[in-house]
Amino acid sequence: SQQGEEDPQALSIQEGENATMNCSYKTSINNLQWYRQNSGRGLVHLILIRSNEREKHSGRLRVTLDTSKKSSSLLITASRAADTASYFCATDPNSGGYQKVTFGTGTKLQVIP
Amino acid sequence: EPEVTQTPSHQVTQMGQEVILRCVPISNHLYFYWYRQILGQKVEFLVSFYNNEISEKSEIFDDQFSVERPDGSNFTLKIRSTKLEDSAMYFCASRTENTGELFFGEGSRLTVL
Repeated sequence: SQQGEEDPQALSIQEGENATMNCSYKTSINNLQWYRQNSGRGLVHLILIRSNEREKHSGRLRVTLDTSKKSSSLLITASRAADTASYFCATDPNSGGYQKVTFGTGTKLQVIP
Repeated sequence: EPEVTQTPSHQVTQMGQEVILRCVPISNHLYFYWYRQILGQKVEFLVSFYNNEISEKSEIFDDQFSVERPDGSNFTLKIRSTKLEDSAMYFCASRTENTGELFFGEGSRLTVL
């Protein structure tokens, strides 16, 4: 199965509501990252949380990490129509040597104005 | 702001033809990556490259694929004999450190007929 799996696969909310996306992973990590992808575009880095951190904020974004459960969540507060995009978690492994970032399956977020 | 650039943005080719996708990573970055994304699906790791050699590759990256950094600025992905299933978006990414944020290009859409 996938290293990173997000749920839900799709989420539709009204503008102003909060959006929560979850990510589970299987192996030990150095850090976990969240990316955003607008349709047909490249991925844009949002936030990185290291394995020794539990929570991190950046603007309207709040990320949590629970390494004992191998899970992370991304919360977008006060959502806007412009937040409509796919969101991916990505794990940076703690395996030594050269690291490859592995992406999850993504959550497609639609924010309705 | 420095960015990763990719060319072409879209290429259409016949099955069996060779394709070269080009990337110019951010100039002070040392780690380079190719990912692909079949329409609507997850972002899949292909290969990572450091110090002029492949550091890691996935099972997708078979003998039909190769990468090169011919002149210290370009980073290319070559597919020797394209198949229908190679149709996808190909993303180049780079970063300064072995861990940390990845910077992605806008992608090259490859369509194999």
